[in-house]
Parts: sequence; structure tokens; C-alpha cells
Amino acid sequence: DQQVKQNSPSLSVQEGRISILNCDYTNSMFDYFLWYKKYPAEGPTFLISISSIKDKNEDGRFTVFLNKSAKHLSLHIVPSQPGDSAVYFCAASVANSGYALNFGKGTSLLVTP
Amino acid sequence: GAVVSQHPSRVICKSGTSVKIECRSLDFQATTMFWYRQFPKKSLMLMATSNEGSKATYEQGVEKDKFLINHASLTLSTLTVTSAHPEDSSFYICSASDRVGYEQYFGPGTRLTVT
Repeated sequence: DQQVKQNSPSLSVQEGRISILNCDYTNSMFDYFLWYKKYPAEGPTFLISISSIKDKNEDGRFTVFLNKSAKHLSLHIVPSQPGDSAVYFCAASVANSGYALNFGKGTSLLVTP
Repeated sequence: GAVVSQHPSRVICKSGTSVKIECRSLDFQATTMFWYRQFPKKSLMLMATSNEGSKATYEQGVEKDKFLINHASLTLSTLTVTSAHPEDSSFYICSASDRVGYEQYFGPGTRLTVT
């Protein structure tokens, strides 16, 4: 049962524009959310995270928004760069589960020049 | 900082043999390590959680006698795939976290092919 869902398998954005990657979750117990970037045949690289007590966290070009009532979060990348092209995974965890991550299926982002 | 290594990066083995994959945290002490498996075009699936010095906690559907996990020290966890079969062929990734943050730092992954 997929508790974290990324419904868009792919996204194409022009360089310089904003990339918006979406993620929905079903488990209301999740209290920490993370975004990872992954290249083929490599492990995921941590990008940015947000605690359930916040609704926004910003780090450089990356901003994560959390809407708890809608059980929805999004990752904004602005401006998008060709080097951002990768698969982006949304993940969620529960503190009392030892922070084991539940991943979405990923969204493949392609940033075109 | 927060570097996690995995060894080997690729391994090919014959059916029926066992394969050991090592996961090391190089510059921090990992009280908790996680093992994930990724199937093609699928998300990362958590296999088990291991805390240093205690038995691993396996996710539902993961055979603990087939996927042996040992977390003997704060910097090393091993996953042994016993009596491997072709359906065990997959990309295995470990991650580690310390006491402080919630982030998990991932290893580069190990591609296992069972022939």
C-alpha cells in the first residue's frame, strides 16, 4: 500500500523557469518529510526537508511547502537548471518508527536548455 | 560530511550462493541503518531497520532468514542475501542516520545480479 504518492512520473521544464514537483501522502502520522534527488545507479542525495510543525522551508533554489490539511507537499526549484535533471523522490517518516522512510515512486525531471 | 559507502558496487553471483553487502558510515556514527531495495521504475522499498547492537526490524514480507542484517558497530552494517535466486536481482541501497538529525544519508547502492 503506497502511503506516499507522486502522481506525475515525469516533468519537463525549460531552463530558468520554475519546476514544481508534487507529493501526496495518506498516513496522518507522518511528521517529517524529505526530498531526495537520484541519478541512475546511484543512491539518493538529500535535498531538503520539512517538519510537520512548519509549512515552508527554503534552501537556496529549493523550497518545500507542506499543506497538512490536504496531506500534500511540493518542491519548488527556481530557477531550474539543466543539472537539476534527475529523479526526485518524496519521502515521509514517523518519529516513533525510527524515522524509516516511506518513498514515493519518484518524478523524473528534465530541464531543457 | 555524512558520507556513506557501500561495497561492492556491483556483484554477479550464481543461484544458490550467498552475497554480502557492506554499508559504512565514514565520518559519523550511525546509530540506525536502513536497507532499501529498488526495483526498476519503482520507489525505494524499505527492507529493514537496524540499530547498532540489536536485531534488525524487518518490514512485512521481507524474509529475515534470507536477508540477514548485522549492525555490529556504529559505522558498519552488512546485508547478506542467502541462497540467492534470480528474483533477488535488484539494486540494494543502505542509509544511515545519527542521533541528531532526521535526515538519512544514502550509500551509492549495490547492483546485484543473480544468474
